Amino acid sequence: EPEVTQTPSHQVTQMGQEVILRCVPISNHLYFYWYRQILGQKVEFLVSFYNNEISEKSEIFDDQFSVERPDGSNFTLKIRSTKLEDSAMYFCASSRLGGYTFGSGTRLTVV
Amino acid sequence: QKEVEQNSGPLSVPEGAIASLNCTYSDRGSQSFFWYRQYSGKSPELIMSIYSNGDKEDGRFTAQLNKASQYVSLLIRDSQPSDSATYLCAVGDNQGGKLIFGQGTELSVKP
Repeated sequence: EPEVTQTPSHQVTQMGQEVILRCVPISNHLYFYWYRQILGQKVEFLVSFYNNEISEKSEIFDDQFSVERPDGSNFTLKIRSTKLEDSAMYFCASSRLGGYTFGSGTRLTVV
Repeated sequence: QKEVEQNSGPLSVPEGAIASLNCTYSDRGSQSFFWYRQYSGKSPELIMSIYSNGDKEDGRFTAQLNKASQYVSLLIRDSQPSDSATYLCAVGDNQGGKLIFGQGTELSVKP
């Protein structure tokens, strides 16, 4: 069964550093998303991406965040100048129509 | 603000019993509804999607949708200890395609 692949599985970074989280969506999917889940809290929408541009972003997705699809397969989330409160699981997801497929997630720990 | 509400639980049922999980949503115009299962530290895994009023069955799982009452439920028949997880209700946002998640209900199936 096709999978959404995320790397790394766990990233530890110092406050103020930049991190890039990587995702390889399912190849024939058209819509790409990033979500995050702070420990013990809801899964929260960050951004959606379609046709090589952001289609929607949440209030969380401020200037600290950016997304890119640098080639035909990868989809990245960059977090500049990380803060302690950015510590969370970050999930990439892709869809064609209907329900999503989520990647296994990247656990980001900011120290 | 579009909201999805679930009882956080924990819901405890004996092995072999029926587990009933409930969800309400605030946006009356919502058209797509999903149940995800999430094991601790893992990504959400799609169990069921439902789009029309009524019941939809898949193996031991039945999703029920009542748009007039803005209510979605998931029944798990013959519950197994391996069903112990957090169950997330998610509602599709018509405007952008993102999912709005509830807090999740923790289910514990006791042998």
